Amino acid sequence: SQTIHQWPATLVQPVGSPLSLECTVEGTSNPNLYWYRQAAGRGLQLLFYSVGIGQISSEVPQNLSASRPQDRQFILSSKKLLLSDSGFYLCAWSPDRADTQYFGPGTRLTVL
Amino acid sequence: AQKVTQAQTEISVVEKEDVTLDCVYETRDTTYYLFWYKQPPSGELVFLIRRNSFDEQNEISGRYSWNFQKSTSSFNFTITASQVVDSAVYFCALSGRGSGNTGKLIFGQGTTLQVKP
Repeated sequence: SQTIHQWPATLVQPVGSPLSLECTVEGTSNPNLYWYRQAAGRGLQLLFYSVGIGQISSEVPQNLSASRPQDRQFILSSKKLLLSDSGFYLCAWSPDRADTQYFGPGTRLTVL
Repeated sequence: AQKVTQAQTEISVVEKEDVTLDCVYETRDTTYYLFWYKQPPSGELVFLIRRNSFDEQNEISGRYSWNFQKSTSSFNFTITASQVVDSAVYFCALSGRGSGNTGKLIFGQGTTLQVKP
């Protein structure tokens, strides 16, 4: 069966510091991968998606970036965090485009 | 443009009551998927159901049932005989299936369900 992992689970970072969140999927190959952010007030917003290694599409311009160095690894990064980057970050995978997305446990980021 | 509206922000019921969560959507795609996810206090989104736009049959799974009506662009979710463990935030979501679609999920704002003992 497939499982999706995210780490760290929680993170408190000062403004201006770098960020690296990791997501890995097990039990499948060539998944579609997604990064979502859930800000306070609970709406979920798609940030990035990837259909393959090195292929990243951005949905919202911001100071975040994503990379996919391996088939089942998806990384969310920032060079300098802003207060507005605080939120709950969820990674998801799907077998194919427009198929059901399965979510990881999430990373709660607080920028102070 | 695609949009999902969950007009009910919060619902509070007493255990064993039935409760219906409303979801209305807008899309120009001729084929699409509709989803319901549950987000318990732990935060992880748990997949509940996917419905294809050409399949309007209602579905029942235990105490859960879903009513899809294309004519009113609604995909409502009913929990029968609610339990305290049903307390969570529930999200309705839409994904276009056309050739230009990326699989992006459009989420509603969610409905917080509180089931009191």
